[in-house]
Amino acid sequence: DIQMTQSPASLSASLGETVTIECRASEDIYNGLAWYQQKPGKSPQLLIYNANSLHTGVPSRFSGSGSGTQYSLKINSLQSEDVASYFCQQYYDYPYTFGAGTKLELK
Amino acid sequence: QVQLKESGPGLVQPSQTLSLTCTVSGFSLMDYSVHWVRQPPGKGLEWMGRMKYDGDTYYNSALKSRLSISRDTSKSQVFLKMNSLQTEDTAIYYCTRVEDYSGDYFDYWGQGVMVTVSS
Repeated sequence: DIQMTQSPASLSASLGETVTIECRASEDIYNGLAWYQQKPGKSPQLLIYNANSLHTGVPSRFSGSGSGTQYSLKINSLQSEDVASYFCQQYYDYPYTFGAGTKLELK
Repeated sequence: QVQLKESGPGLVQPSQTLSLTCTVSGFSLMDYSVHWVRQPPGKGLEWMGRMKYDGDTYYNSALKSRLSISRDTSKSQVFLKMNSLQTEDTAIYYCTRVEDYSGDYFDYWGQGVMVTVSS
């Protein structure tokens, strides 16, 4: 199975700040990577797919980058509504696997 | 609009079988695949398996011996059955949609159904 190592596990940032979340795959996943946002009590919502494509309706302050085994999610100009947990997921190979998540809070 | 909704019992006894239904609307099960993902309380996400648009199924090897996914396209429903439930199967169970053509990412999720395994 492909292991997804996500960091940091938690993150505290101020409004307007830029934050970056990293995900490392145990092998090359050829950009088969998605990022999801999950707010408390809600189901995850797709933000980024194919490593760097923004899902319809997602604000442009979210962006994804990376290749090979290293990927990142960047949130520019942090807003209060961005407080949530974020998960990466690889869909290059079965079984599809997720990172353990990053909990983003406001400082 | 695209919707998925999970339904099923909230409480299952240990060693019993879990049966869940995912009812979809706004798209056809013959055009899109449906995957099941679960999340233990306060923990991360685990991919369980999928029903492809052509009727093919694939399961997480960790669950394969206990898991079965089927569908009724006429009712726009996908079914999950998992036997020999244990307390560690307590989780929120989600069904999700996959577009297939540009990648197996989950573009729509159901609201989830909480399943507790307890006597």
